[in-house]
Amino acid sequence: DAMVIQNPRYQVTQFGKPVTLSCSQTLNHNVMYWYQQKSSQAPKLLFHYYDKDFNNEADTPDNFQSRRPNTSFCFLDIRSPGLGDAAMYLCATSSSGTANSPLHFGNGTRLTVT
Amino acid sequence: DQQVKQNSPSLSVQEGRISILNCDYTNSMFDYFLWYKKYPAEGPTFLISISSIKDKNEDGRFTVFLNKSAKHLSLHIVPSQPGDSAVYFCAATSITGTASKLTFGTGTRLQVTL
Repeated sequence: DAMVIQNPRYQVTQFGKPVTLSCSQTLNHNVMYWYQQKSSQAPKLLFHYYDKDFNNEADTPDNFQSRRPNTSFCFLDIRSPGLGDAAMYLCATSSSGTANSPLHFGNGTRLTVT
Repeated sequence: DQQVKQNSPSLSVQEGRISILNCDYTNSMFDYFLWYKKYPAEGPTFLISISSIKDKNEDGRFTVFLNKSAKHLSLHIVPSQPGDSAVYFCAATSITGTASKLTFGTGTRLQVTL
């Protein structure tokens, strides 16, 4: 089955210790997104790629970086995680990126910062 | 400022009855609306959408109604089944925009009881 896969499912990191979350897709979609979702809150878009074109949301902290080495993979790097960065991180893809092109989400990585 | 609001954090409905999940929006530019369903430990999955040129869209047991003048939409599930127990997210955007401009609500947790 074509899908969006996120690894790991659970990640524990120490305060200030860099961490990388990964996402891969077999859908061959052009657009990939990273969302942050905290408990009882709406998913919040951090950034997205249209092919190799990187788009950062204005309020995404500089602490968050992303890489997309090829169509299939996308990484979220948190350079110095703080306690406030503990959240569920969701990767999603879209075939065209248009408004009526539904997002396909992975199962998320739950990040704990100790 | 939350532009998409789901004011009921949770809803409990008996199996076989109708579930009605509500969503309000404030941005007049929104003209395309989607519902996503999320099971625990999984990513959201697309459920149904509606464009502002319609006031109703139906897909099996799921119907979305849009009241543009009230800036209100609702998702009806009839009949409700235990497998419908999940968190439902309302999302909105402009059809001329991109999926990256999707604004999510905070979700409503539906519990369908036997």
